[in-house]
Amino acid sequence: KAGVTQTPRYLIKTRGQQVTLSCSPISGHRSVSWYQQTPGQGLQFLFEYFSETQRNKGNFPGRFSGRQFSNSRSEMNVSTLELGDSALYLCASSPRQGSYGYTFGSGTRLTVV
Amino acid sequence: GQQVMQIPQYQHVQEGEDFTTYCNSSTTLSNIQWYKQRPGGHPVFLIQLVKSGEVKKQKRLTFQFGEAKKNSSLHITATQTTDVGTYFCAGPEGADGLTFGKGTHLIIQP
Repeated sequence: KAGVTQTPRYLIKTRGQQVTLSCSPISGHRSVSWYQQTPGQGLQFLFEYFSETQRNKGNFPGRFSGRQFSNSRSEMNVSTLELGDSALYLCASSPRQGSYGYTFGSGTRLTVV
Repeated sequence: GQQVMQIPQYQHVQEGEDFTTYCNSSTTLSNIQWYKQRPGGHPVFLIQLVKSGEVKKQKRLTFQFGEAKKNSSLHITATQTTDVGTYFCAGPEGADGLTFGKGTHLIIQP
């Protein structure tokens, strides 16, 4: 079966712009979580969506938001981009809410210049 | 909040040598998970441990969960070049998703 698909793979944006990243989970998986990965901070939890509702949120500013659609596909949005937002953004899906062994996508590499 | 610490940060081994990474949580965990990330890749789920004192094996990999459910280890016997990558442990932090350790980077010299 198809894995977790994230688009785009690479993105370059300018400070102050906004960006939307997309994630299609494994078919049948209803939980989608987003993580930010940087060399300094490692993997940090952004938020989790289940049944179109945000269930949990990490310690990130309100500029980071997301949503989930009825087909479980998810998007995350970052507004007013800062240089420090440059990172690998990873989407992970699992069959149900909570942490039960994620399947990660290949990620979107965001560079803010 | 919960902290998950991993040591060592880097480990250089000769091919064929054994490798161990250790994970410690500041709180008791309901479960612990291990992931592997190859250079340039994404984390791949290896295993989940749930029971106190649990030991699981996957070929040359042995995973242990401590009796107090606050620590865990991953041991690789006779490393191969395909084992190169970063190994992460992760534990659930209440309703706040998974808390990942910073990982152990395994570097193998042929």
